[in-house]
Amino acid sequence: GQQLNQSPQSMFIQEGEDVSMNCTSSSIFNTWLWYKQEPGEGPVLLIALYKAGELTSNGRLTAQFGITRKDSFLNISASIPSDVGIYFCAGRAGQGAQKLVFGQGTRLTINP
Amino acid sequence: GAVVSQHPSRVICKSGTSVKIECRSLDFQATTMFWYRQFPKKSLMLMATSNEGSKATYEQGVEKDKFLINHASLTLSTLTVTSAHPEDSSFYICSARLSQGLDIQYFGAGTRLSVL
Repeated sequence: GQQLNQSPQSMFIQEGEDVSMNCTSSSIFNTWLWYKQEPGEGPVLLIALYKAGELTSNGRLTAQFGITRKDSFLNISASIPSDVGIYFCAGRAGQGAQKLVFGQGTRLTINP
Repeated sequence: GAVVSQHPSRVICKSGTSVKIECRSLDFQATTMFWYRQFPKKSLMLMATSNEGSKATYEQGVEKDKFLINHASLTLSTLTVTSAHPEDSSFYICSARLSQGLDIQYFGAGTRLSVL
């Protein structure tokens, strides 16, 4: 089945540093979604992307829909302690596709 | 963003009992809802897709008689774990797909099920 490869699996950074993570797919996606999950909670939607090449920001977060439609990245600028959590990419392929395919997640740890 | 309410957030039950988890879309109609299971430090694993007014579509390896899904209205889907056993202990998360406008999927806060 379809798979998303998300990297890195984990990141340990200093507060104030920028963060970059990405997802790649073997097949084309029409929608890319980025979520953040904190312990014991459900994923919270951060950014949604719908067009190849689309670049969207949400505060210090920026995400892009790759022009090949097989990848997406998420950047976090000037990280702060509350950015700690697990970030998941998710994609939906094809018109009418119902299921979201999830990446394995990137666990972000920030040293103050 | 839209709100998906999941209840209860935590449940502890005895082995052999059944547990019902509710998922409600509070401010939008969701023709499609999804149920996921998440193991510690793992990604979300889709269990089933629930369409309002029709039978749920289960993923391969998920027992439909064990995990009963009902999507009786555009704002409510329920997952019932029947005859729960300790191996069913997990974090269950529902999500709802916005029916109109942008293609977005919102998640509930999850339910931690512990079967003794």
